Amino acid sequence: GAVVSQHPSWVICKSGTSVKIECRSLDFQATTMFWYRQFPKQSLMLMATSNEGSKATYEQGVEKDKFLINHASLTLSTLTVTSAHPEDSSFYICSARRGRDTEAFFGQGTRLTVV
Amino acid sequence: QKEVEQDPGPLSVPEGAIVSLNCTYSNSAFQYFMWYRQYSRKGPELLMYTYSSGNKEDGRFTAQVDKSSKYISLFIRDSQPSDSATYLCALEQGAQKLVFGQGTRLTINP
Repeated sequence: GAVVSQHPSWVICKSGTSVKIECRSLDFQATTMFWYRQFPKQSLMLMATSNEGSKATYEQGVEKDKFLINHASLTLSTLTVTSAHPEDSSFYICSARRGRDTEAFFGQGTRLTVV
Repeated sequence: QKEVEQDPGPLSVPEGAIVSLNCTYSNSAFQYFMWYRQYSRKGPELLMYTYSSGNKEDGRFTAQVDKSSKYISLFIRDSQPSDSATYLCALEQGAQKLVFGQGTRLTINP
């Protein structure tokens, strides 16, 4: 299967600061990347869809000014959590697809703890 | 009603047993069906990917799709303790967006 690398795997930050999470497709070009959030013992909830070279599409209820997504190239998307608060503490996971009608491969996830 | 329903378990079976995991869905527009395995504090790992009714086999894993009943299953044969994880079904209807089931926590006891 294809490899999607996510960095960092865990991060602790202070309230009010910003945190950037990177998602890279290592062995394929990803036309579309997706960002999910997962709370303990719950399923993945899609936050936004990121297409290379265009603005991300956010799901209802997700603040686009708080969760900044940049998809600068076909192999890299970043999620920046701005002015983080303790309630933003969660497991953030990205996924990437080569194109339509293909499998979605996931990164290993980033555990964010805001203190 | 949720778009995808999956029993969260937990499900505990002895090693070597056949495991049956299931999801039901309400939207007949779903076209692609996937099963993922997720270990604690890790990202989901793709196990099976199907797009038509019927069975697909890969080693000890068999994915079954019944579009007429809106029902999908994952069977694990000769289950191993290393299969202990959370199993998530994921469905796609278009625009490449996936809708996940809640996930079933599975434990295989040695």
